[in-house]
This record gives sequence, structure tokens and C-alpha cells, in this order.
Amino acid sequence: DGGITQSPKYLFRKEGQNVTLSCEQNLNHDAMYWYRQDPGQGLRLIYYSHIVNDFQKGDIAEGYSVSREKKESFPLTVTSAQKNPTAFYLCAYSTGGIYFNEKLFFGSGTQLSVL
Amino acid sequence: SQQGEEDPQALSIQEGENATMNCSYKTSINNLQWYRQNSGRGLVHLILIRSNEREKHSGRLRVTLDTSKKSSSLLITASRAADTASYFCATPDTGRRALTFGSGTRLQVQP
Repeated sequence: DGGITQSPKYLFRKEGQNVTLSCEQNLNHDAMYWYRQDPGQGLRLIYYSHIVNDFQKGDIAEGYSVSREKKESFPLTVTSAQKNPTAFYLCAYSTGGIYFNEKLFFGSGTQLSVL
Repeated sequence: SQQGEEDPQALSIQEGENATMNCSYKTSINNLQWYRQNSGRGLVHLILIRSNEREKHSGRLRVTLDTSKKSSSLLITASRAADTASYFCATPDTGRRALTFGSGTRLQVQP
């Protein structure tokens, strides 16, 4: 799994419900990212974190929330405020240092659908 | 915001043929990366080319970078059915220390 695990693989959300997607990495990297992918589209950045207890909004943060209480974990909550949550969600970590010229390693993704 | 745009959006070729896909970007970069995604899976890094490099090879992959035209190309030689996937270029957003991805090229290699 390249040191990063996403779960569950498939998730269904009822209207008005919050759901949480898990992302765990065991390689002690600081930088972690959440991306959203719609069918046939590229990836859009939701949130990112470069250090424990700190995270920043990406391009499409509305309706989502994250936490970074532990270095190895970066869970994403899709809240009821996100009106169009159906998408493929990808978590990644970077080995990059201060200058960020390194690659991203991705998890296998979570497909979220609305019931 | 989409920094890179791939062309074509979709490409269908026969096994053994070469596949070329292109990426254009808007702002200055210090590197450009190419990723592959099999259907329903995460992205896998293929190759990184730095701004001071013009061409880079990795196995059957050849990547070129033209910073004056703000464009890059990925060539897959002697394609195989297993190369069927979507291919994305990505450029660094140095302010956020994240990658910005293009919309991708869907490659279908017919056996």
C-alpha cells in the first residue's frame, strides 16, 4: 500500500449525515493532503497539512473538515453542508522537505456516494 | 485552480504503437511530474522532470519539458494493454507546497 491506507473503500452517506474518511500513513512524513476527483476529471485540493495540529484549506474546502492530532492520521469529514459529496476521495503524503520538490504517494481512495 | 491541461482528453491506440500526451501549464515551475491512475485506484508517480532538464527517460517513458512554451509531453513507446489508464501532469504550487493536477488523458491500448 506504499505506507498509506485509506478506509473504507466504499462509503454511503444519507442526507444530512456527516461521514468521516480515514487516512493513515506509517512512514513518519509531515505533509499530507486530501484531494477530490469527480468522474473523468482531475484532482482538486480540499485540505492539506504540513505539521501536526496545523492544516490549511485548499481550493474546495467548503463542506469539509479535517483534523491532524497525530502525525500518522489525517481524517476527512464530509459534512451535511457539502451538497454534492459524490466523488472519489484521495489522500496522499509527500516526502518533500521545505522546498517541496518531491513526489506524492497516494492511497487507494474512497468512493463516496449519496443514498 | 487547474494549472495543467492535458491534450488529448482521450486516446485509443493499438498495442505496439506509441502514445503521446501533452500538458500545458500557466505559471513558472521548478518541476513537472507525471502520474498514472488505473480505474478506481490511487495515482502512482511515474516521472519528475526539473525545470533545468529538457528530456528525461524511464524505461519506455520519455518526458520532455519546454519551459519557454510552458509545455511538457509524455511519450510511451511500444504500448501494451497494461498501459491502459489515465495519465495526469502535475505542477507544484510552491506557496501551498501542494501539487496542482491537470484534467488527465485517458489512454486505451487495444490488444
